Amino acid sequence: KQEVTQIPAALSVPEGENLVLNCSFTDSAIYNLQWFRQDPGKGLTSLLLIQSSQREQTSGRLNASLDKSSGRSTLYIAASQPGDSATYLCAVWGRGGGADGLTFGKGTHLIIQP
Amino acid sequence: DARVTQTPRHKVTEMGQEVTMRCQPILGHNTVFWYRQTMMQGLELLAYFRNRAPLDDSGMPKDRFSAEMPDATLATLKIQPSEPRDSAVYFCASGLTGHPTDTQYFGPGTRLTVL
Repeated sequence: KQEVTQIPAALSVPEGENLVLNCSFTDSAIYNLQWFRQDPGKGLTSLLLIQSSQREQTSGRLNASLDKSSGRSTLYIAASQPGDSATYLCAVWGRGGGADGLTFGKGTHLIIQP
Repeated sequence: DARVTQTPRHKVTEMGQEVTMRCQPILGHNTVFWYRQTMMQGLELLAYFRNRAPLDDSGMPKDRFSAEMPDATLATLKIQPSEPRDSAVYFCASGLTGHPTDTQYFGPGTRLTVL
């Protein structure tokens, strides 16, 4: 059964810093890996989707990398802003058996201090 | 501004009562996913439908949970009877085709509290 782990569970940094969020998964048989953002009391917003054949994706100040063989992904946030404060979730869509669809990590709760 | 809607946003009920949660996917999307989020377990996939047919509900406790899609604009998740351990936020998401390359669009969730 696929397991997704995110480290750290919580992170607080001053505004302007660059930061890295980590995600690891146990089964490398995946279609893709996605990073989501969740704001309190709201649903999830998709940030970046990396196909299994890709190594990275970029959107604005966000860059996500994927190393499928080692079961790892990182989300890099450049020049962090208070508006980036949220919980960031990593999810993989596996090719294996069991429930299809996305398996999520428990998230990294990020606070950017003004 | 197309978005997934869910009703109710909050529900408080007593153990043993029936609970029905509703989801309206984005118009034109043919795949609907139901997720449950708790502090302990995080986000878990319960079930998903494509073209109104259930494709996978192996994540859903079958004895008390049921999911249906009566038409293309409405998906329902029902719990009968409800138990305190069902307290969670239930999210619905829709996708254009359900293919893994699709982006899933999430609704705001239904926060369920079972006393």
